[in-house]
Amino acid sequence: DAGVTQSPTHLIKTRGQQVTLRCSPKSGHDTVSWYQQALGQGPQFIFQYYEEEERQRGNFPDRFSGHQFPNYSSELNVNALLLGDSALYLCASSVDRTIVMKKLFFGSGTQLSVL
Amino acid sequence: DAKTTQPTSMDCAEGRAANLPCNHSTISGNEYVYWYRQIHSQGPQYIIHGLKNNETNEMASLIITEDRKSSTLILPHATLRDTAVYYCIVRPDSGGGADGLTFGKGTHLIIQP
Repeated sequence: DAGVTQSPTHLIKTRGQQVTLRCSPKSGHDTVSWYQQALGQGPQFIFQYYEEEERQRGNFPDRFSGHQFPNYSSELNVNALLLGDSALYLCASSVDRTIVMKKLFFGSGTQLSVL
Repeated sequence: DAKTTQPTSMDCAEGRAANLPCNHSTISGNEYVYWYRQIHSQGPQYIIHGLKNNETNEMASLIITEDRKSSTLILPHATLRDTAVYYCIVRPDSGGGADGLTFGKGTHLIIQP
């Protein structure tokens, strides 16, 4: 049973460019969350998708957007990249409306470097 | 969400019990305590969670004080593979709906051979 898979594993972009990161949730999971982790910091919640809609959003600008597809996979898009967007981007999946819904399963992340 | 306070780092000898403290003095009655860990170059991994009773699973035990203002994660027989950053998170369990977690900086646990 594959866990949460993310692609690509590493990415280098320049300031002002746009980037798309991809995530496939764990089999049977219907909810996808995205987190940003700067070096030496804990992960910060970006947003969560359920039933192809953004359900909750953290304190991130509109440059960060996402999408969830009918097969529950998800994309994170970041426009007009800034140097400060350099971070590890983590995807987490879960099952909605279960007693252990806070048990998130994380992928290994995409390391984004903005030059 | 209630704020948590954890030591920045801790050492523990291999084979001994690792006891990781977490202070959450402003916790509300409906907030659960969650523990995740992050091994280098991997995403966080769920360990355990609890409300007010002590909990145990195959990975660890969670001891929550009677006033719920602090808790301790116990790894009974630490191995080198337990070296990781451990995050204590307090979050209400709505039973449904959005569940964005707030991670702090966590405790870097180093298991010494």
